[in-house]
Amino acid sequence: GQQVMQIPQYQHVQEGEDFTTYCNSSTTLSNIQWYKQRPGGHPVFLIQLVKSGEVKKQKRLTFQFGEAKKNSSLHITATQTTDVGTYFCAGYILTGGGNKLTFGTGTQLKVEL
Amino acid sequence: KAGVTQTPRYLIKTRGQQVTLSCSPISGHRSVSWYQQTPGQGLQFLFEYFSETQRNKGNFPGRFSGRQFSNSRSEMNVSTLELGDSALYLCASALSGVHNEQFFGPGTRLTVL
Repeated sequence: GQQVMQIPQYQHVQEGEDFTTYCNSSTTLSNIQWYKQRPGGHPVFLIQLVKSGEVKKQKRLTFQFGEAKKNSSLHITATQTTDVGTYFCAGYILTGGGNKLTFGTGTQLKVEL
Repeated sequence: KAGVTQTPRYLIKTRGQQVTLSCSPISGHRSVSWYQQTPGQGLQFLFEYFSETQRNKGNFPGRFSGRQFSNSRSEMNVSTLELGDSALYLCASALSGVHNEQFFGPGTRLTVL
């Protein structure tokens, strides 16, 4: 089953409000990647975190990788309508089928004016 | 540089038929991964090919298969289609695949009637 969970599943905010999505893995991840998928589009890479406790910022977006490398978060400050989409975390998990990139369940963000 | 291309973009098939989807990666990328995206199951990893060899495999039945050619182009095949195979099939390419960012194509929307 799904080994990487994200919460919340949906988030509806007013423009200007902050937004956070959390990603939790049942196993330790070697790294974590974040992707954004706009409605009707395909996932687009945002960032990759590798080190335990790492924090990276991209303008209004802040990404964190947990100390145990089992969880991560994406925080958006002062959301804009251009932030609409589904945000996925993805981590490499070693399985019987090899080292595969496992995507989280995604958080769908809607931003209202 | 040109992005990942997938053909066809849309496909309608009936149960029991088979289908072949094609993916051309970004020039210079040697890794090609395939994903199935559905509203209920999210993004599920199918398999990854690198230098014409399947390097990683997800938890899908043997009806799903793939291959990669010497120019890194990849195809995936689904035999004996079932209604539940209706999904968006996404192809992603990466430089080497291991811990590299994935560049996704626009996807092939497959509908099985």
